[in-house]
This record gives sequence, structure tokens and C-alpha cells, in this order.
Amino acid sequence: GQQVQQSPASLVLQEGENAELQCNFSTSLNSMQWFYQRPGGSLVSLFYNPSGTKHSGRLTSTTVIKERRSSLHISSSQTTDSGTYLCADTNAYKVIFGKGTHLHVLP
Amino acid sequence: GALVYQYPRRTICKSGTSMRMECQAVGFQATSVAWYRQSPQKTFELIALSTVNSAIKYEQNFTQEKFPISHPNLSFSSMTVLNAYLEDRGLYLCGARGDFQDTQYFGPGTRLLVL
Repeated sequence: GQQVQQSPASLVLQEGENAELQCNFSTSLNSMQWFYQRPGGSLVSLFYNPSGTKHSGRLTSTTVIKERRSSLHISSSQTTDSGTYLCADTNAYKVIFGKGTHLHVLP
Repeated sequence: GALVYQYPRRTICKSGTSMRMECQAVGFQATSVAWYRQSPQKTFELIALSTVNSAIKYEQNFTQEKFPISHPNLSFSSMTVLNAYLEDRGLYLCGARGDFQDTQYFGPGTRLLVL
């Protein structure tokens, strides 16, 4: 079945630095999604990104479906960006999550 | 807009007792509902997928006898954790989807603590 690999597992940045998070899928996929998991556990959908590049504020997601990979770029990181970022294969009926990247932005 | 609510948000139960959690879809018809669990220090894993008018499909390592699910209509689903033990601790997430939606909408989760 599908395996979702995220890298790095954890990342520590100084405020203002950029972050690049990677997501690789072991098998073909139709679509993928990036989530931010709040400290309380709930998920915030950042991007639903079947292919190409999408922007939202300081966040950019780029998905190359043929290569089964996606990246999430955070520019000018802020302390409020700290948390866990999850990528997932979003089959219409079930979602397969990666283990996440734990980001810690220092003031 | 499409929203998914989960109740309760947080609950504690004694080891060996059972706990029921609910998932409600608002603003769309939830033809399918998936339940996930995130155990401590782990990512989310699918427990089961329920589609209205179809049999509920459980993933390996999860059974109906342990996690019975009800999906009686297009806005509501519930799941019970029977005979809960420490390994059942975690965040239980429900993801609901309608027929014409590309992806699932997730609730905020029910966090289960087992004493």
C-alpha cells in the first residue's frame, strides 16, 4: 500500500529563516494535501494540491505528481509557525498520512 | 461552508470501560465517513471507512468488535471504543466527504485518555 515519507522529521529555525518540507509517496497518487496540526491536535488544511504550485501568504506548495513528491515552503518563518506539518495522500475515501515534520521556530 | 463537528473534544475513561464519540457534518451530505486514530508520538492511521448504504470496512488491526461504528444518515456518525485500554489512548479524528467533493473534511478530534 501507499507509504508517505516526510522529511525532515524535525526542524529548528531562527525566526525569519525559510523552511522547506518534503513529502514523498511510494506509489502513484491522484492528489495530496498539506495539513498543519495545532497543539491541541486538530488539523488545519493548508493546501489541497493535486499538481503544480499553489501559494497562500508565506506558504508555497509544489506537487509533481509524476515524481510522487510534494514540497511545502515557508518563507520568513515566525514563531507562530511552530507545530507539526503533515502531508497526506488524499484518496477520495481515505487519507494516508505521513509522520509529520515537527517545526520549531525560535524567537 | 462544509464543517465537521466532533463530540466530546476530550474525554477520560477508566481502563476496561467504553467510550462513544460522535461526528456531525454540517453544510454537506456526508456519504462517507472515515475514522482515524493518532496514538501518542505517531501519525494518523485509518480505523474504518463507512459509506451510507454499504458495509463498513475496517482496516487491518481494527475490528468492529472493538470499534463499532454507526452511520445512520448523511450528517451523523458515531464510533465506540469498547473495553478501552492504555493502547487506545490518542486523538480520534473523523473525516467526512460528500459525493461531489474531492477530499474529506476533518473534525477537530476527540482526545481519549484512559486511566
